[in-house]
Amino acid sequence: GQNIDQPTEMTATEGAIVQINCTYQTSGFNGLFWYQQHAGEAPTFLSYNVLDGLEEKGRFSSFLSRSKGYSYLLLKELQMKDSASYLCAAMDSNYQLIWGAGTKLIIKP
Amino acid sequence: DTAVSQTPKYLVTQMGNDKSIKCEQNLGHDTMYWYKQDSKKFLKIMFSYNNKELIINETVPNRFSPKSPDKAHLNLHINSLELGDSAVYFCASSLGLQDSGANVLTFGAGSRLTVL
Repeated sequence: GQNIDQPTEMTATEGAIVQINCTYQTSGFNGLFWYQQHAGEAPTFLSYNVLDGLEEKGRFSSFLSRSKGYSYLLLKELQMKDSASYLCAAMDSNYQLIWGAGTKLIIKP
Repeated sequence: DTAVSQTPKYLVTQMGNDKSIKCEQNLGHDTMYWYKQDSKKFLKIMFSYNNKELIINETVPNRFSPKSPDKAHLNLHINSLELGDSAVYFCASSLGLQDSGANVLTFGAGSRLTVL
C-alpha cells in the first residue's frame, strides 16, 4: 500500500533549528511536497522536491532522497509564527497526492 | 482578491439535513479538488475535476455529490447528513493534473461542518 510517515508532534525553541522527517512509500514517484497549516487555517505550499538533494528557500530548506524514500524539512532561526502543522505529501505515478497526517510543531520562547 | 473562496465558512446543521458548500477560484486553474480534514487533521481527497470533468472519485458515500458548472467552480452537495460528516472541507485548485510541478495546490479557507 501507499503511506506517509511523519512524527505527530515536535517541540523546539525560538531561534533554534528543527528538522521534520518524512518517509514515504508510493506506487511510482512524481515529487514530494511540504505544506504549512496554521491552526484553523488552510494549508499553504512550502516546497517541492523531485530530484535528490537540498532545496533552500530562505529559512526553510527541504531535502529529498529518492532511493531511501525519505525527505526532511529544515526550519532555521525559528520564530513563534512557525508554530503550525507541517504536512508531507508524495505524488504517485498517477499524479495523485498521498498525504501524511502532519507534524504539529510547537515553538517555545 | 481571494484566489480560492468557499462558502459558507461555518455550517451547523441537524442530522438528516441536506447542505451545499460552494467553491470558486479566480486563478485560471484547470483542476479543482475537494478534501476532507477530520479531527485528527488528516487530509483526505474526495473528488477532483479537471476542466469540469470528474477525474478522481475516492471511496466517498454517494450522499456526497460534486458539481462543476465550469472550470472555475466546484460545489459540494451533501444529502442526509450524518454525525461522521462533521469535519473541515477544503476546496483547492491547481494549474494542471499531469505535470507534477503544476500540481501545487492553492486551498480555500475551509468550511467547518458540524452535524448535531
